[in-house]
Amino acid sequence: DTAVSQTPKYLVTQMGNDKSIKCEQNLGHDTMYWYKQDSKKFLKIMFSYNNKELIINETVPNRFSPKSPDKAHLNLHINSLELGDSAVYFCASSHRAGANVLTFGAGSRLTVL
Amino acid sequence: GENVEQHPSTLSVQEGDSAVIKCTYSDSASNYFPWYKQELGKRPQLIIDIRSNVGEKKDQRIAVTLNKTAKHFSLHITETQPEDSAVYFCAASGGPGGGADGLTFGKGTHLIIQP
Repeated sequence: DTAVSQTPKYLVTQMGNDKSIKCEQNLGHDTMYWYKQDSKKFLKIMFSYNNKELIINETVPNRFSPKSPDKAHLNLHINSLELGDSAVYFCASSHRAGANVLTFGAGSRLTVL
Repeated sequence: GENVEQHPSTLSVQEGDSAVIKCTYSDSASNYFPWYKQELGKRPQLIIDIRSNVGEKKDQRIAVTLNKTAKHFSLHITETQPEDSAVYFCAASGGPGGGADGLTFGKGTHLIIQP
């Protein structure tokens, strides 16, 4: 009964391709996030959705497009992949926006060749 | 926006000794300060947190202190054990957006426990 599950766990693809990562949480949380962790382990927020509405959109290339069909799901679609997109992408959720405990998914390691 | 600085980036201590990791933040409106532990290849997991109305919090071998005036907070681990080896992240949240801006993380500290 994984609380925050994301798929796939590993993704290897060529430059220029389009790929998606899916995330689902069964905690009943209102807010979901995408974080990017680069090779230096720096965790940086990309997007945040509260009840299916976008509330944070950090300076992320518009090749990245999040989609939240309902408050339990937040998917990340990436167009025209570049080498610099290689990272581990973590989905997370919290009971409400900000000031609250984040529960992370296991991460999706994206490698762009 | 919030900016969180974390030091040191790497910390090596002898097993049984104490470890201290320090963080500073920039947004005086931040009111929630969690610490996450990330083992190699795993997800970050919350180990302890503190809110701005408290100066110190302890949970067994782990303690966190907060100085709101100076805008810094620290993680203290006593009697370190090999399983404490991991990357530790501090974070801050709860700024003027009503906390809607998520957690801002420090850059992490790689803690190495030497046997």
